[in-house]
Amino acid sequence: RKEVEQDPGPFNVPEGATVAFNCTYSNSASQSFFWYRQDCRKEPKLLMSVYSSGNEDGRFTAQLNRASQYISLLIRDSKLSDSATYLCVVNEKSFQKLVFGTGTRLLVSP
Amino acid sequence: NAGVTQTPKFQVLKTGQSMTLQCAQDMNHEYMSWYRQDPGMGLRLIHYSVGAGITDQGEVPNGYNVSRSTTEDFPLRLLSAAPSQTSVYFCASRAGTGYNEQYFGPGTRLTVT
Repeated sequence: RKEVEQDPGPFNVPEGATVAFNCTYSNSASQSFFWYRQDCRKEPKLLMSVYSSGNEDGRFTAQLNRASQYISLLIRDSKLSDSATYLCVVNEKSFQKLVFGTGTRLLVSP
Repeated sequence: NAGVTQTPKFQVLKTGQSMTLQCAQDMNHEYMSWYRQDPGMGLRLIHYSVGAGITDQGEVPNGYNVSRSTTEDFPLRLLSAAPSQTSVYFCASRAGTGYNEQYFGPGTRLTVT
């Protein structure tokens, strides 16, 4: 089983739609969780950290479910500019390593 | 405001050649890492460092060496390039604790023929 698993997509949605991605992780000792965004042929950039109580940043909401070992990302009112690959990231080994999922591709169309 | 810089941006090597990918950061970050990204495989950790003089292997270290003589620099050496090392290489850095953002360089696109 991979350490971090994501549905690769692509998720094709119209502008204004709400879309959600899930990610599962295998190490129950993981302590910190993130969503990164990667545009085509660019470097990944932090979208948001994921806190135990859940957190929201504008149209983006992240949730953590430790019991089931998954994190989620909800995007409301999708924009064309949200088209990208979203990477789920989990911290391992006493914070020394970040483990990346393979990413979920989102395509938002007019 | 350079952040993480990588050189070169593009490189073509012949099988058996060696080269060094350069990475530097100006944020005084302790942690630095090298990843490779291949289609369908996501980002895979090659080597990482938790401070000057300290390095460790990641998931796919074979064929690569690293050193960390200063906080700022973390070069990645390909010892004898192979076609399987054709990939996009990203260097990254972050401050010490596990809750901090990791910053990536723009990447090096390497082709080995």
